[in-house]
Amino acid sequence: AQKVTQAQTEISVVEKEDVTLDCVYETRDTTYYLFWYKQPPSGELVFLIRRNSFDEQNEISGRYSWNFQKSTSSFNFTITASQVVDSAVYFCALPGMDSSYKLIFGSGTRLLVRP
Amino acid sequence: ETGVTQSPTHLIKTRGQQVTLRCSSQSGHNTVSWYQQALGQGPQFIFQYYREEENGRGNFPPRFSGLQFPNYSSELNVNALELDDSALYLCASSLQRGSPLHFGNGTRLTVT
Repeated sequence: AQKVTQAQTEISVVEKEDVTLDCVYETRDTTYYLFWYKQPPSGELVFLIRRNSFDEQNEISGRYSWNFQKSTSSFNFTITASQVVDSAVYFCALPGMDSSYKLIFGSGTRLLVRP
Repeated sequence: ETGVTQSPTHLIKTRGQQVTLRCSSQSGHNTVSWYQQALGQGPQFIFQYYREEENGRGNFPPRFSGLQFPNYSSELNVNALELDDSALYLCASSLQRGSPLHFGNGTRLTVT
């Protein structure tokens, strides 16, 4: 069955520190997408990235970078030089096996960036 | 470009009552999904509508039902509310199936 595990419940860092959020997934699909979403206190889930399983190149977008390793079923997210505005809950997600129409979310990692 | 909007923002209901939540999808998006997010947990898929028809459902009882209208807006109806229905209800729209979901701010439902 499809499953996403985010073992880190909460992380607290001081501003400007680098932080990595872990995501481990299980899937029976041979090709699949992986997603990261950010949920600030306002509640809205903000799409950050979609990665196709056959593209294992790391991706960088400004201070954000993602490390996808199919061999270990991990899709980790790193924020470089964290800022207070990065404080939010971050979710990793994977489409359901029977269709691509639903997302299976992990339980999320709450990131607190202190000034 | 207008994003996904949901109403109301907050709602308080009594156990046994019925509730309707509303969602306007992002312009051009014909697929709408609903998710339930309990406190401290990740969102759980309720169902999805594509061109006014339900085309996928999660593990939720029949008292959770929905509609999608010709303008692609959507409603989530919950009958016979239970205390465990207290959660943040998120609506998401997408350009097509498999595309990234764009979420609204959610409706916080409290059942007392």
